[in-house]
Amino acid sequence: EVQLVESGGVVVQPGGSLRLSCAASGFTFDDYTMHWVRQAPGKGLEWVSLISWDGGSTYYADSVKGRFTISRDNSKNSLYLQMNSLRTEDTALYYCAKSSSGSLGYWGQGTLVTVSS
Amino acid sequence: DIVMTQTPLSLSVTPGQPASISCKSSQSLLHSDGKTYLYWYLQKPGQPPQLLIYEVSNRFSGVPDRFSGSGSGTDFTLKISRVEAEDVGVYYCMQSIQLPWTFGQGTKVEIK
Repeated sequence: EVQLVESGGVVVQPGGSLRLSCAASGFTFDDYTMHWVRQAPGKGLEWVSLISWDGGSTYYADSVKGRFTISRDNSKNSLYLQMNSLRTEDTALYYCAKSSSGSLGYWGQGTLVTVSS
Repeated sequence: DIVMTQTPLSLSVTPGQPASISCKSSQSLLHSDGKTYLYWYLQKPGQPPQLLIYEVSNRFSGVPDRFSGSGSGTDFTLKISRVEAEDVGVYYCMQSIQLPWTFGQGTKVEIK
């Protein structure tokens, strides 16, 4: 059974930094591209970033480019999102998701990031 | 960026009746590999989104056959043949032919 468990979400001040983690199990982690998707409170879904199976390719939404860094450790079956220069508009539930034939086939339960002074 | 536009934004359906949601993309989602990169998700209350339909019309593992997808190019439809109480939530279409991947605004489905 595919399991994705996010962690690291907390309340942080504007301008602060945070690192989210996603622990994966139930599949061969290093075979798959992985993603981060976020959802602001009461709002829709926004794709944030992806990383290829080997970490060689990364892509970002314009809204986070230059501030967020996606990475992975295949030896630990883990995905990460380093978030710097956080803004109030980054407040959201952050999901990690497993790629599957161009889709987001499996999602974690999410971890909540609140940016507030 | 490709803009995904869903209609309607909300839907109230009597159990057992059909429902239909439209999704239009600002660019064709047909790739040169022959695939069309259009997906449907359902986010039930308090849960993460779950994949329903991939590549326009293919049901994901475990998805009931009352859900069907159709369309081509830039116009797509999700149909529920007979709505059940467990189908309530917000439905999103998504494109992955071009980065950034983008979602529709969501259609909230409730039961009358």
